[in-house]
Amino acid sequence: AQSVTQPDIHITVSEGASLELRCNYSYGATPYLFWYVQSPGQGLQLLLKYFSGDTLVQGIKGFEAEFKRSQSSFNLRKPSVHWSDAAEYFCVRGAAGNKLTFGGGTRVLVKP
Amino acid sequence: NAGVTQTPKFRVLKTGQSMTLLCAQDMNHEYMYWYRQDPGMGLRLIHYSVGEGTTAKGEVPDGYNVSRLKKQNFLLGLESAAPSQTSVYFCASSYPVLTDTQYFGPGTRLTVL
Repeated sequence: AQSVTQPDIHITVSEGASLELRCNYSYGATPYLFWYVQSPGQGLQLLLKYFSGDTLVQGIKGFEAEFKRSQSSFNLRKPSVHWSDAAEYFCVRGAAGNKLTFGGGTRVLVKP
Repeated sequence: NAGVTQTPKFRVLKTGQSMTLLCAQDMNHEYMYWYRQDPGMGLRLIHYSVGEGTTAKGEVPDGYNVSRLKKQNFLLGLESAAPSQTSVYFCASSYPVLTDTQYFGPGTRLTVL
């Protein structure tokens, strides 16, 4: 079965510092990969997605992610974190039938 | 344009009680989904629908039933609630394209005592 692993359960970062969230997916055909963000008490919002082409993907809110097939990774990055980026982030893999497999999530805390 | 809405937002049930969660979308999406979110496990798919009148099982379907009588609505039912069904439930909808975004509702927090 396809799986998605987010190794870091919590990350604390200072405001203005850079952020990188790790994601690894299980081996398979060309994956469809997404990053979603969930702000406290809210639903989920799509940050970015990758399904083919350029392996560096730009998203909303200044986020980007890089697909590395050799490492089965799809890490999310932001150069300078804002306090409003405090949220839970999910790496997600898509499969046939539009079914999504979610990673366990990484909760990001932002220090002033 | 409200997007995806869920009713109710919060609910507390006693073991054995039944209830129905309602999801509505106004984006004319073909596909709709029900997920549950538990700490450390991300979201897991309960049931989904690829069109009016159709439903299918997801990853964790046991103890739940669904119906899609109208294209814009997707109902999730718990016939006999159990404490293990305490969770946050999310509905989502999308067009029938794998690369398309799923749009999520705000969630329903359900506690079963």
